[in-house]
Amino acid sequence: GAVVSQHPSWVICKSGTSVKIECRSLDFQATTMFWYRQFPKQSLMLMATSNEGSKATYEQGVEKDKFLINHASLTLSTLTVTSAHPEDSSFYICSARTGNTEAFFGQGTRLTVV
Amino acid sequence: AQSVSQHNHHVILSEAASLELGCNYSYGGTVNLFWYVQYPGQHLQLLLKYFSGDPLVKGIKGFEAEFIKSKFSFNLRKPSVQWSDTAEYFCAVIASGGSYIPTFGRGTSLIVHP
Repeated sequence: GAVVSQHPSWVICKSGTSVKIECRSLDFQATTMFWYRQFPKQSLMLMATSNEGSKATYEQGVEKDKFLINHASLTLSTLTVTSAHPEDSSFYICSARTGNTEAFFGQGTRLTVV
Repeated sequence: AQSVSQHNHHVILSEAASLELGCNYSYGGTVNLFWYVQYPGQHLQLLLKYFSGDPLVKGIKGFEAEFIKSKFSFNLRKPSVQWSDTAEYFCAVIASGGSYIPTFGRGTSLIVHP
């Protein structure tokens, strides 16, 4: 299947700082990218959907000013967690697809805010 | 909006036992169905998918799933599990005609004892 690369795999940051997570589709053009958050022992919760060149669509309850999403090209989307707090500690997963096909997942980023 | 329910949250089996994980969805229209697996420390990988045609779908590593439209179900099966099948399993649904955003079930944690 297609490859989606997410970087970094894990990051530890201080409370109040910002963290950027990158999601790249390596061998296909991703017209749509999804960002999920996964809490321990729970399912993937969709945070936002982004289409290349347009603003992301956020799910209800997700603060768009806190979780900044940029989908500047067909192969790259970034999620920036601004002014991170310990409650933002989680596993963030990106997913990418082209057209209305199956989505391919990155390996995830474990964020720990101390 | 569609939703996905996985009834078994934790399953513990011995090697060579048979496996069946339940997945039910709520959506009255056409759906695409997926099972993903997440091995410890790894990213989500697609096990199998159903778009149309034969409702009995065979995937990788000996897994199969059966789509029963009348029951809104897409249960995952494997006749004989191995220790290496220990992982989290997620069922996902995409409702056709909508935004084509995958909706995930809560996941099932499978532990296989050698």
